[in-house]
Amino acid sequence: GENVEQHPSTLSVQEGDSAVIKCTYSDSASNYFPWYKQELGKGPQLIIDIRSNVGEKKDQRIAVTLNKTAKHFSLHITETQPEDSAVYFCAASTDSNYQLIWGAGTKLIIKP
Amino acid sequence: EAQVTQNPRYLITVTGKKLTVTCSQNMNHEYMSWYRQDPGLGLRQIYYSMNVEVTDKGDVPEGYKVSRKEKRNFPLILESPSPNQTSLYFCASSFRGESKQYFGPGTRLTVT
Repeated sequence: GENVEQHPSTLSVQEGDSAVIKCTYSDSASNYFPWYKQELGKGPQLIIDIRSNVGEKKDQRIAVTLNKTAKHFSLHITETQPEDSAVYFCAASTDSNYQLIWGAGTKLIIKP
Repeated sequence: EAQVTQNPRYLITVTGKKLTVTCSQNMNHEYMSWYRQDPGLGLRQIYYSMNVEVTDKGDVPEGYKVSRKEKRNFPLILESPSPNQTSLYFCASSFRGESKQYFGPGTRLTVT
């Protein structure tokens, strides 16, 4: 079955710098890759997603890139702000079975 | 407001005392799911339901039961809780065929 690995487990960056979180997946049939943000005391919330027919997607300061050949995808956050501090989860699924397989999460800390 | 609600938000109980965590969504979603979140392990799926009266095991179903008698509700039942079920639990829902999931606020369960 599908396995999703996420790195790093903790990432600390200076406010204003960029942050990159990487995930690799094992099932080449996976074609949907969402990123969720979990703020303290809340449930995860979808922030951006990408499908396998697209290599990159941007939404203001966040972007996701996908390398199907290498089977990895990354979340990029530019000009980080204190409100970006949270736990970020990547996931993967296929259209035939839209069960999400989750990475272990990355705790992002933005230092003032 | 579209939302997923869970009750209770916090629960401390003793080993063996049956409990139910309720989950309700007001978005007419067919798909509902329960996850547990433990440090370093990310989100692990317990059970899911594709529609009313249809439920399936996730990755970690042992010690849990669910039911889906109505579209909006998906309660999680622990018949005989044990300390290893101490965790943070999330309910999520989505339209069938869509991978974007909406999460509840979480229920923190402690079993002593």
